[in-house]
Amino acid sequence: QKEVEQDPGPLSVPEGAIVSLNCTYSNSAFQYFMWYRQYSRKGPELLMYTYSSGNKEDGRFTAQVDKSSKYISLFIRDSQPSDSATYLCAMSFYGQNFVFGPGTRLSVLP
Amino acid sequence: DVKVTQSSRYLVKRTGEKVFLECVQDMDHENMFWYRQDPGLGLRLIYFSYDVKMKEKGDIPEGYSVSREKKERFSLILESASTNQTSMYLCASSLRTNANTGELFFGEGSRLTVL
Repeated sequence: QKEVEQDPGPLSVPEGAIVSLNCTYSNSAFQYFMWYRQYSRKGPELLMYTYSSGNKEDGRFTAQVDKSSKYISLFIRDSQPSDSATYLCAMSFYGQNFVFGPGTRLSVLP
Repeated sequence: DVKVTQSSRYLVKRTGEKVFLECVQDMDHENMFWYRQDPGLGLRLIYFSYDVKMKEKGDIPEGYSVSREKKERFSLILESASTNQTSMYLCASSLRTNANTGELFFGEGSRLTVL
């Protein structure tokens, strides 16, 4: 079993749809959870950062962490073609380097 | 804005060649990292460095070495390139206090093809 699992997609949705991206993990010690967005031929950039369980909202983006289920989600409301990218989840705990999911490729169709 | 610059975006090398990948960051970050990114496998850590002249092995260090002679520069070296090292290589940096917990700033990547 991989330490972090993520559906690779591709996921195609129409513009304006609500998008749900998810990761599951096996190590209950993870405390820091991040979502990175990576446009084609670019490096990843941090989108959302969450510590421990709970929700965090930033504009159209909401990150959720459910530590009891070892499951994290990223929701994108009113999706736009500019949201088309690969989304990587990443997680760590103090003293442990980040572990990344393989990424989900998202296409938002105009 | 933090800028992480990787000197070569695309490289094509032959099996057995020595390859240098250079990375420079301009925000005085203590920590620097080298990852490789392969489809279906995500980002895997090769080496990282918490300070000048310090280096630590990541998850997949075999076949690679690194050099950090200056704080802003972190080089990845493939002593004898092999076809299984064909990949996208990403350099990243972060503040010392955020080594395991905070934001990583990535360069745009170096796509290496080994023939």
